[in-house]
Order: sequence, then C-alpha cells, then structure tokens
Amino acid sequence: GQNIDQPTEMTATEGAIVQINCTYQTSGFNGLFWYQQHAGEAPTFLSYNVLDGLEEKGRFSSFLSRSKGYSYLLLKELQMKDSASYLCAVRDSNYQLIWGAGTKLIIKP
Amino acid sequence: ETGVTQTPRHLVMGMTNKKSLKCEQHLGHNAMYWYKQSAKKPLELMFVYNFKEQTENNSVPSRFSPECPNSSHLFLHLHTLQPEDSALYLCASSQEQGAGHYEQYFGPGTRLTVT
Repeated sequence: GQNIDQPTEMTATEGAIVQINCTYQTSGFNGLFWYQQHAGEAPTFLSYNVLDGLEEKGRFSSFLSRSKGYSYLLLKELQMKDSASYLCAVRDSNYQLIWGAGTKLIIKP
Repeated sequence: ETGVTQTPRHLVMGMTNKKSLKCEQHLGHNAMYWYKQSAKKPLELMFVYNFKEQTENNSVPSRFSPECPNSSHLFLHLHTLQPEDSALYLCASSQEQGAGHYEQYFGPGTRLTVT
C-alpha cells in the first residue's frame, strides 16, 4: 500500500529552527508537496520538490532524497504565526496526491 | 470573489436530511476535487473532475453524490448520512496539464456535523 509518515506533533521555540520530516512509500513518484494549514482554515501551498536537493523560499526550505523516500521542511526564525499543521503529500505514478496526516507544530514564546 | 469559495461554512444535519455543499473556483482551473478531512487523519480524496468529467471516485458511499455543471462549480449532494460522516469537507482546484507541479488551491471547507 501507499504510505506517508510524519510526526504527529512537534514543539519549538519562537526564533528557533525546526525540521519536520516526511517519509513515503508510494507507487511511483512525480513530486512532493508541503502545505501549511492553520486551525479552521484551508491548506495553502508552501513548496514543491521533484529533484533531489534543497529548495529555499525565504524562511522555509524543503529537501528531497528520492532514493531514501525522504523529505523535510525546515522553518527558520520561527514566529508565533508559524503555529499550524504541516502536510506532506506525494504525487504517485497516476498523478494522484497521497497525503500524510500532518504535523501539528506548536510554537512557544 | 477570489480563489476557491465554499458554502456553507458550517452545516448541521440529521441523518434523514438532504443537503448540498457548493464550491466555486475563480482561478480558471480545469480540475476540481472533493476531500474529506477528519481529525488526525490524512486528507481523503473523494472525487476528481477534469474538464467537468469525473475521473476519480475513491470508493465513496453512494450517500455522497457529486455534480460538476461547469469547470468553475462543484457540488456535493448529501443524503441519509451517518454520524461518522461528520468531518471537514474541502474543495480544491488545480490546472492540470499532464506532468507538472500544479499545486492545488483549497477552499476554506464546510464543517459538517451529522446528528
């Protein structure tokens, strides 16, 4: 079966750095997405990786290793507004998105 | 209106009621999706429409019935639901052009409670 694993919850301190991991086993691979979802709101797109390596976008970076079936989202200079759930999703060989259950990130002052 | 809109935002219905959820996208996209989101579970894809044609139906019970009259509007008709159907129902759209990283844009969702 297809599976996406991410930690259920993480806690970090304002101003610090946090890394949210995602491992996947899917039938084929056509890209990996990270989304952010604040409580009671819609998921919003953060990043996309299809080749190995690091993609940087301001305070957020996303890394992919296809051989290891592994990605991480790195958040720097954490702000209170970064408290949210972070969803990892992989597009499989049929171009279907397979979603993880999300990681709830709690930022403490 | 911009982006993806959904109505109603909240819905409480009895098991014998019939109701409909509405989604509208203002992005010119050609694909629309219905997802179910339950607490601490992955997003569950329910239905996909590409160019108004249903391309996916992931073993969804027949008490959920989708309708896509045009590429901008998507409905989810509900009837004789069960309490376990209580969840957040999200609509999304994207521009699908074969291979590519066309991200999905989500609406704010309808919080459904079945009593």
